[in-house]
Amino acid sequence: DTGVSQDPRHKITKRGQNVTFRCDPISEHNRLYWYRQTLGQGPEFLTYFQNEAQLEKSRLLSDRFSAERPKGSFSTLEIQRTEQGDSAMYLCASSLKTSEADTQYFGPGTRLTVL
Amino acid sequence: QQPVQSPQAVILREGEDAVINCSSSKALYSVHWYRQKHGEAPVFLMILLKGGEQKGHEKISASFNEKKQQSSLYLTASQLSYSGTYFCGTRVHTGTASKLTFGTGTRLQVTL
Repeated sequence: DTGVSQDPRHKITKRGQNVTFRCDPISEHNRLYWYRQTLGQGPEFLTYFQNEAQLEKSRLLSDRFSAERPKGSFSTLEIQRTEQGDSAMYLCASSLKTSEADTQYFGPGTRLTVL
Repeated sequence: QQPVQSPQAVILREGEDAVINCSSSKALYSVHWYRQKHGEAPVFLMILLKGGEQKGHEKISASFNEKKQQSSLYLTASQLSYSGTYFCGTRVHTGTASKLTFGTGTRLQVTL
């Protein structure tokens, strides 16, 4: 039983560059979430998919951020024109909506450093 | 709005007990507890659903007071492996609004 995987694990980029992260959820999980975590803080919700449909997007998310889940399996998160304030850990989580429980399992994260 | 966790940090000796609290200003549907070690992903511990239930496994248990919108995580006879930062994640709706809102965390250190 493989867990959530993310690639790359670390990314260093220069300000103004575009970056793309990938998340592979647990097989057959129909929900996929992206969160951002900065040092000393809890994860902060960015966006969420059910199958291929993007159902919610944080109001805090600027239009430089875009996410896709084209076939309802893996997802990509792209950040355009990166800024130093984008430096953070980007976490992906997946879940299988059954009955009332909807437990989210997190991947190892992608640590982004913007120079 | 972000749930409030208390205490912010606690240091225990191995074998001691601890309680971590999570309080929300909103009516909650469920509370999810995670533990995160430095540089690692949050690991799911347990979920408590609306209904005021108490759950537990091994020496970690939790309760959910629906009237007060509060949850508490109980760690008994702590072990070195319990060290890490504990987060509560709260959900206010079911259905399509499925995101979790996390507290700022409680740093727990267990020493010999």
